[in-house]
Amino acid sequence: RKEVEQDPGPFNVPEGATVAFNCTYSNSASQSFFWYRQDCRKEPKLLMSVYSSGNEDGRFTAQLNRASQYISLLIRDSKLSDSATYLCVVNDPWDYKLSFGAGTTVTVRA
Amino acid sequence: EAQVTQNPRYLITVTGKKLTVTCSQNMNHEYMSWYRQDPGLGLRQIYYSMNVEVTDKGDVPEGYKVSRKEKRNFPLILESPSPNQTSLYFCASSPEVPMNTEAFFGQGTRLTVV
Repeated sequence: RKEVEQDPGPFNVPEGATVAFNCTYSNSASQSFFWYRQDCRKEPKLLMSVYSSGNEDGRFTAQLNRASQYISLLIRDSKLSDSATYLCVVNDPWDYKLSFGAGTTVTVRA
Repeated sequence: EAQVTQNPRYLITVTGKKLTVTCSQNMNHEYMSWYRQDPGLGLRQIYYSMNVEVTDKGDVPEGYKVSRKEKRNFPLILESPSPNQTSLYFCASSPEVPMNTEAFFGQGTRLTVV
């Protein structure tokens, strides 16, 4: 079983729409959670950390559900520039590493 | 400018010809790591280093070597590359073990082994 699983998509949405997707993680001991953004096989960049109480950063909202071991990302008022692959990332506290999902691709069309 | 620099960005090589991919960071970060990214699999950690002269295997270390003689540099060595090592490689650094801190990635090295 993969440590972090994501729906690969693609999610094709019109500009201005809301899009949301989840990822699930297998290690209940994981403590830190992140969403990274990756454009067209370029380097991943941190989009936002995910906190237990949920958090927002502009049009982006992240939620964490520890009981069900999933993380979600919601993008409101989608822009063309939001087209990217979104990587769910979870830390493994015992192996000193980050575990990456394979990514969810979002395409925003005009 | 704070950055992680990898070289080369693109490399085509033949099976068995030793190669080194360099990685350098200018942020004085303790933790550095190498990942490979393959379609449908996400990033998988190859090796990591907690500090100078401290390295350890990640999830897919077979066929790779690393060294950390200086804090800023963390080269990835393929002693005898094989076609299954064709992949997109990323080097990353963090101020500390990436529990709660951002990982900064290099721009990637696209390696093809024929």
